[in-house]
Amino acid sequence: GAVVSQHPSWVICKSGTSVKIECRSLDFQATTMFWYRQFPKQSLMLMATSNEGSKATYEQGVEKDKFLINHASLTLSTLTVTSAHPEDSSFYICSGGAGQASYGYTFGSGTRLTVV
Amino acid sequence: QKEVEQDPGPLSVPEGAIVSLNCTYSNSAFQYFMWYRQYSRKGPELLMYTYSSGNKEDGRFTAQVDKSSKYISLFIRDSQPSDSATYLCAMSLLNKLTFGTGTQLKVEL
Repeated sequence: GAVVSQHPSWVICKSGTSVKIECRSLDFQATTMFWYRQFPKQSLMLMATSNEGSKATYEQGVEKDKFLINHASLTLSTLTVTSAHPEDSSFYICSGGAGQASYGYTFGSGTRLTVV
Repeated sequence: QKEVEQDPGPLSVPEGAIVSLNCTYSNSAFQYFMWYRQYSRKGPELLMYTYSSGNKEDGRFTAQVDKSSKYISLFIRDSQPSDSATYLCAMSLLNKLTFGTGTQLKVEL
């Protein structure tokens, strides 16, 4: 079946530094990638939608300059958390698909980010 | 009020029990209703989806939607230890998913 490989699975970084999270679709071309974040005991919250070759669409309240999303190819989408602060510590997860309804998209395994 | 409410549990049941997981929602415009299973340190995987009121069965799993009450359920029959996971309900509108918080289920031997 369709696989989305997400790396790293966990990362610890110092406050003020930037962190890049990658999602690769291994056996299909992901024209669309959704990026979510999840705080403990809370639901997955959609941050942004990225389509290959175009600018990402961010949800209300998500800072586009802080969470940079790049979807330059059909198999790779990246999320960069810039100037990370402890409040950015969270679980980030992507899901990718091509054309089908979003409920059928394949999720990555998630990245746990801790900013110290 | 959250758009989707789900009891986070944890829920612990003996092997072989029938498990009932539930979500309520407030937005009557939601079009599709899904259940995902998420094992620890893994991404969610789609278990079932439906778009109309009524029941949908797939093996040991039954998804139930009651649009008039804005209530969805997932039933797991003959639960197994391998069913131990977090179960997330989700609803979609215009291809965007809104998730519940997930219910943590443990099936004990």
